[in-house]
Amino acid sequence: SQQGEEDPQALSIQEGENATMNCSYKTSINNLQWYRQNSGRGLVHLILIRSNEREKHSGRLRVTLDTSKKSSSLLITASRAADTASYLCASNGTASKLTFGTGTRLQVTL
Amino acid sequence: GAGVSQSPRYKVAKRGQDVALRCDPISGHVSLFWYQQALGQGPEFLTYFQNEAQLDKSGLPSDRFFAERPEGSVSTLKIQRTQQEDSAVYLCASAIALGPSSYEQYFGPGTRLTVT
Repeated sequence: SQQGEEDPQALSIQEGENATMNCSYKTSINNLQWYRQNSGRGLVHLILIRSNEREKHSGRLRVTLDTSKKSSSLLITASRAADTASYLCASNGTASKLTFGTGTRLQVTL
Repeated sequence: GAGVSQSPRYKVAKRGQDVALRCDPISGHVSLFWYQQALGQGPEFLTYFQNEAQLDKSGLPSDRFFAERPEGSVSTLKIQRTQQEDSAVYLCASAIALGPSSYEQYFGPGTRLTVT
């Protein structure tokens, strides 16, 4: 069963705007990973943040982690039409496996 | 370098048939995970291997599901007597160990299984 939740479920923005997606999880984690998934395709690894980190950057991506609230956020700055996809967070708990949420569907329009 | 590959990309099976799904991980990655993704849902864990050892198979939904990785590289997920509820995308992930129980996972494109 899913143990993570993303918020919002869907987000529509214009090109150039920033997109923020939130994720909550339920158990203690070793790390949390964000993935992008285009319709009908596999998961592309975006960024990993370890449990002892609070913020991480990669290009236009910024991830934060608040272990006290069991939550994470993904910020995509200066969005592009090519960023249109579903974004999923996955928590890596003590059992090695990843536990995913259902994802946020991001639509970036011109 | 080459990423994770999976074959076939699409599989249509009649109910009751057996299927075998293959995963070729990134060269040198010791750990390999299988997930099942139903339509509109996030992936759900099935099983994982470290080298040829299957360390956790708690996510396999029934004894019709079987996975192996005999030489610690290529892995096969086998589903016997397929049922309609087995229709899903099956994802394989090749992983780098970051520490105890901590992995960075890279996914293949998946195999979309449709059981008719």
